[in-house]
Amino acid sequence: EVQLVESGGGLVQPGRSLRLSCTASGFTFGDYTMSWFRQAPGKGLEWVGLIRSKTYGGKIEYAASVKGRFTISRDDSNSIAHLQMNSLRDEDTAVYYCTREGGGLDYWGQGTLVTVSS
Amino acid sequence: DIQLTQSPSFLSASVGDRVTITCRASQGISIYLAWYQQKPGKAPKLLIYAASTLQSGIPSRFSGSGSGTEFTLTISSLQSEDFATYYCQQLNFYPLTFGGGTKVEI
Repeated sequence: EVQLVESGGGLVQPGRSLRLSCTASGFTFGDYTMSWFRQAPGKGLEWVGLIRSKTYGGKIEYAASVKGRFTISRDDSNSIAHLQMNSLRDEDTAVYYCTREGGGLDYWGQGTLVTVSS
Repeated sequence: DIQLTQSPSFLSASVGDRVTITCRASQGISIYLAWYQQKPGKAPKLLIYAASTLQSGIPSRFSGSGSGTEFTLTISSLQSEDFATYYCQQLNFYPLTFGGGTKVEI
């Protein structure tokens, strides 16, 4: 069974950092593009960024709103994707989801809440 | 950025109704469009990808059509478990973008 489990969310002050992890199981992690999305309270879905598989060069793309502050990485040997978030702002408050890309985004984690507040 | 405009934003319907949701893209995206269902407090669930391909395990009452700039999601006979918010998403250009959502309620 495919599972994605996010961890690392919590309350953080503006300007500080947080690292989210997405632990995958039930599939060959290294074969897939992994993406991060977020959803602010009561709002719609926003793409954060993605990291392609090594087959596709491991290319990384970011949304303009997080570029230069957030870094996506992957550890294929342990089936984990990471989202390093620096210089956090109030507007980064959201539930963060990791997803697997297989056609569409066919599997999603349960999400982890990040609250940026002083 | 590609803008996706969903209509309607809200839809009041009854069990058994045929429901159609439209998603218009600000420029052509071929068939790189997906539809998701989201219930409160839950992650989105993939319904349709490549505009018209039904995701495995999704009931056949869901269908998608379109290409280029105009797409539709149709639920042929609404069931009680289908009351949710639906989003379209384009996967042709970065940044990947979503429509604003359509809330289907009783």
